[in-house]
Amino acid sequence: AQSVTQLGSHVSVSEGALVLLRCNYSSSVPPYLFWYVQYPNQGLQLLLKYTSAATLVKGINGFEAEFKKSETSFHLTKPSAHMSDAAEYFCAVSVSGSARQLTFGSGTQLTVLP
Amino acid sequence: EAGVAQSPRYKIIEKRQSVAFWCNPISGHATLYWYQQILGQGPKLLIQFQNNGVVDDSQLPKDRFSAERLKGVDSTLKIQPAKLEDSAVYLCASSGDRNQPQHFGDGTRLSIL
Repeated sequence: AQSVTQLGSHVSVSEGALVLLRCNYSSSVPPYLFWYVQYPNQGLQLLLKYTSAATLVKGINGFEAEFKKSETSFHLTKPSAHMSDAAEYFCAVSVSGSARQLTFGSGTQLTVLP
Repeated sequence: EAGVAQSPRYKIIEKRQSVAFWCNPISGHATLYWYQQILGQGPKLLIQFQNNGVVDDSQLPKDRFSAERLKGVDSTLKIQPAKLEDSAVYLCASSGDRNQPQHFGDGTRLSIL
């Protein structure tokens, strides 16, 4: 079975600073990996996805993530944080043969300080 | 395109009462998912439908939870009787097929008193 670990349930950065949200996965077969963002009282919005093509994936709102098989990681980054980036971020994994079911991490709450 | 619609947005009930949530997926999406998101946790899959058939309901507490998607379009999730630990946000998602990303509704926040 696959699983996801998000290191750091809360991350604070200053506006304009680098955002780094960590995600490590466990899977016995090649995974598909996703980052979703959730704003208060809303559903999840897809930021980006890795599906075995390029290892560096670019998403919406200036976010990107790099798939590193050797480290079983898929960390999310953004060069310069904006106040509007404050939200909860979820990493998720799915594998072939599982009907593409998503297994989510426990989330990281990002706070952006002025 | 219109997104995934869910209702109600909020529901407050007492334990042992019953409650139902409704979901209308994006038009043409064959796959529909119900998730439970407890405060401070990531969403957990409860049930997955492909058209009107169940693909996986292994994590659905079937003694109290039920779900249906009779015509392969909208879906209803029911809890009867509710327990305190059912307090959560219930999210519905849909996708065009299993290889497409899931699109989520805004969820129903359930509070059990």
